[in-house]
Amino acid sequence: GNSVTQMEGPVTLSEEAFLTINCTYTATGYPSLFWYVQYPGEGLQLLLKATKADDKGSNKGFEATYRKETTSFHLEKGSVQVSDSAVYFCALTTGGGNKLTFGTGTQLKVEL
Amino acid sequence: DAGITQSPRYKITETGRQVTLMCHQTWSHSYMFWYRQDLGHGLRLIYYSAAADITDKGEVPDGYVVSRSKTENFPLTLESATRSQTSVYFCASSEWSSGNTIYFGEGSWLTVV
Repeated sequence: GNSVTQMEGPVTLSEEAFLTINCTYTATGYPSLFWYVQYPGEGLQLLLKATKADDKGSNKGFEATYRKETTSFHLEKGSVQVSDSAVYFCALTTGGGNKLTFGTGTQLKVEL
Repeated sequence: DAGITQSPRYKITETGRQVTLMCHQTWSHSYMFWYRQDLGHGLRLIYYSAAADITDKGEVPDGYVVSRSKTENFPLTLESATRSQTSVYFCASSEWSSGNTIYFGEGSWLTVV
């Protein structure tokens, strides 16, 4: 079956620090990979996605590259802001149906 | 652009009561989903629907019932609520193509006492 493993949080960084949140997966077939972000009290918003190997998704300064050889989709940002404080979920879908399999989420706290 | 709306947003109910969470989407997306979010588990799929009158079980369907008589609505019913069903419930929708973005509602916070 499909599974997603994320680094445990919380991750606490100072503003302008470099961010990496690790995500690895196991999947049958060829997955599409996603990062979702959840701000306090809100639903999930798509942050970025990649649908095939070596694709790079990017949005709002965040990036992640689909690495088939290491089955990874690590999230990075060069300089975080306080407003980036949220919970980040790595997820995948395979085949038809678009059923997402989620990681457990990583909470990011950015301090001044 | 209303997107996906869930109601109620917050609900407290007693053990054994029936509760229905409503979900409505305005995009005419084919697929709709119900997830629950619990600390340490991330989001887990309860039920999904590929089209009107087509529903299927997800990872954690026990204790839940769904229906989809219209494309835009996908209600989730807890037939006899239990404390273990205290959770945040998210409805989501997407177009049919694999890899398409899945859009989420704002969530329904349910507490069973």
